[in-house]
Amino acid sequence: DAGVIQSPRHEVTEMGQEVTLRCKPISGHDYLFWYRQTMMRGLELLIYFNNNVPIDDSGMPEDRFSAKMPNASFSTLKIQPSEPRDSAVYFCASSYGLSNTEAFFGQGTRLTVV
Amino acid sequence: AQTVTQSQPEMSVQEAETVTLSCTYDTSENNYYLFWYKQPPSRQMILVIRQEAYKQQNATENRFSVNFQKAAKSFSLKISDSQLGDTAMYFCAFMKLRGKLQFGAGTQVVVTP
Repeated sequence: DAGVIQSPRHEVTEMGQEVTLRCKPISGHDYLFWYRQTMMRGLELLIYFNNNVPIDDSGMPEDRFSAKMPNASFSTLKIQPSEPRDSAVYFCASSYGLSNTEAFFGQGTRLTVV
Repeated sequence: AQTVTQSQPEMSVQEAETVTLSCTYDTSENNYYLFWYKQPPSRQMILVIRQEAYKQQNATENRFSVNFQKAAKSFSLKISDSQLGDTAMYFCAFMKLRGKLQFGAGTQVVVTP
């Protein structure tokens, strides 16, 4: 398996624009996580899905952020409208099961909002 | 709420030497999991080692070992025979049963020749 695949790897956008980050989890994994990494706040869990259903979105910063998982092999994280403070590295991770299992991370998307 | 504290922002170690990274956590749970993840300059998050709280034996993975002190809520990582490729940010993480991974702030390890 190629691992968790995220696209794009880098994204630069202007404030106010819509941004869509994409993730393909490892085949067979039933959990998918979206994390955000910043210098100030470290690694934060934004939302996670189990079998394509959002389980906990308490980490989503505000209504400008939304995440979907239309099927087991694809998820998106959308920011609309984007703001400079959204600049961060966004990671997607997947796992089979929860807790006693390894979460495999993608290489992240570095988002810069100017 | 659980918190994970890594008190060392940066550690430097010479090749072939040993370095120990500290991690403490706060929880009222009895059963949980602890992890160390490595993030090299490539940005990829890689699992280094995992410990189940109900196991008293400390986990070991090749040159990486942990010292898990449940009563003290301490989970340190020892890197033995350090190699240049070990240079990375190391994150301690906590997960309660069926919970979310919570990360510490990280410790930057720099291995020098």
